[in-house]
Amino acid sequence: GQNIDQPTEMTATEGAIVQINCTYQTSGFNGLFWYQQHAGEAPTFLSYNVLDGLEEKGRFSSFLSRSKGYSYLLLKELQMKDSASYLCAVRSLAGGFKTIFGAGTRLFVKA
Amino acid sequence: DGGITQSPKYLFRKEGQNVTLSCEQNLNHDAMYWYRQDPGQGLRLIYYSQIVNDFQKGDIAEGYSVSREKKESFPLTVTSAQKNPTAFYLCASSIEGSREKLFFGSGTQLSVL
Repeated sequence: GQNIDQPTEMTATEGAIVQINCTYQTSGFNGLFWYQQHAGEAPTFLSYNVLDGLEEKGRFSSFLSRSKGYSYLLLKELQMKDSASYLCAVRSLAGGFKTIFGAGTRLFVKA
Repeated sequence: DGGITQSPKYLFRKEGQNVTLSCEQNLNHDAMYWYRQDPGQGLRLIYYSQIVNDFQKGDIAEGYSVSREKKESFPLTVTSAQKNPTAFYLCASSIEGSREKLFFGSGTQLSVL
């Protein structure tokens, strides 16, 4: 089967760094995505990893280890507007091109 | 600007009624998807379509139906057989056959009267 786990909630302070972890089990792995979703809005794309290693994009970085079924999203210099849910999603070739989502991590940034 | 348009933003369903959620995209994407989001749960795939006139069931297709008569449009019907339809419904599209990200519409909140 397919399974994605990530923490339910995290709290961090403005200006700090936070790491959101994601572990997954899937067959036919074809990439891992991170999306940001503000309450009541559509998810928006943050990052994509298909090979092992770190991808950096401004304040956000994402890491992947395929052998461990593990990824993390690193947010630096936190801002209040970063308060949102962060969704880990895995694209699988099993049974067709499907993207499976984790339940999301709600991040609260406090002053 | 290219994008995905979902309508309506809010929808109310009476018991025994079928309702249809609209999803239109002008991104020229081949693939389109419908997800359901419940509080505290991840997005769950209802149906997806990789090409016009073809679609596949996702993980929770029971009580839903779709059509894909045009590349731009992928409407979702929530039938009376769906006993717990209250949720936030998201339509998405992507360039099929590649490792492309999903582009999402702004969602439809469906509630039961």
